[in-house]
Amino acid sequence: QKEVEQNSGPLSVPEGAIASLNCTYSDRVSQSFFWYRQYSGKSPELIMSIYSNGDKEDGRFTAQLNKASQYVSLLIRDSQPSDSATYLCAVLPGGSNYKLTFGKGTLLTVNP
Amino acid sequence: DADVTQTPRNRITKTGKRIMLECSQTKGHDRMYWYRQDPGLGLQLIYYSFDVKDINKGEISDGYSVSRQAQAKFSLSLESAIPNQTALYFCATSDPGKETQYFGPGTRLLVL
Repeated sequence: QKEVEQNSGPLSVPEGAIASLNCTYSDRVSQSFFWYRQYSGKSPELIMSIYSNGDKEDGRFTAQLNKASQYVSLLIRDSQPSDSATYLCAVLPGGSNYKLTFGKGTLLTVNP
Repeated sequence: DADVTQTPRNRITKTGKRIMLECSQTKGHDRMYWYRQDPGLGLQLIYYSFDVKDINKGEISDGYSVSRQAQAKFSLSLESAIPNQTALYFCATSDPGKETQYFGPGTRLLVL
């Protein structure tokens, strides 16, 4: 069973702080990694994708990938109350034929 | 107009009834997916289709069936609804060679 693990939270940070969201995965040959944001009752929307070891930055968001440690993270700088949502980590396992495996999500609350 | 639409958005039905959830997309993607989401359980794949003639079971297909009427349409049926099928259902699409999935707005289903 190929698994994707996330801390369910809730993770609570003050406005303006850095929020750090973490995800580990079990399939060592996983190829691609995604972070989705989901507001309560709404559909997931893609924030970041990352394919290579290292950091990838997009505005206030930075995704970090370490394939040796089977670990992917999402940093949100200058957190805003509007960032309050559940963040889903998704992994494309090796040989999966494009079936993503989703983690259960981490609930982030940014306090004004 | 939204690229991926789902109808109905909300549905209340009774145990034993047959219901159909519909998904349409204007993104021109070949691949379509049906997920259910329960609180605290993340997204679970029900069925997926990589083209009109290709239908595959996901993790939790029991009690569900699907029909791919055209490239743009993928329907999910509950043959005889039961209360534990109460959940939020999402349709998603993706393009071959690109792993990013795009989600519809969801259908909230309540089975009494």
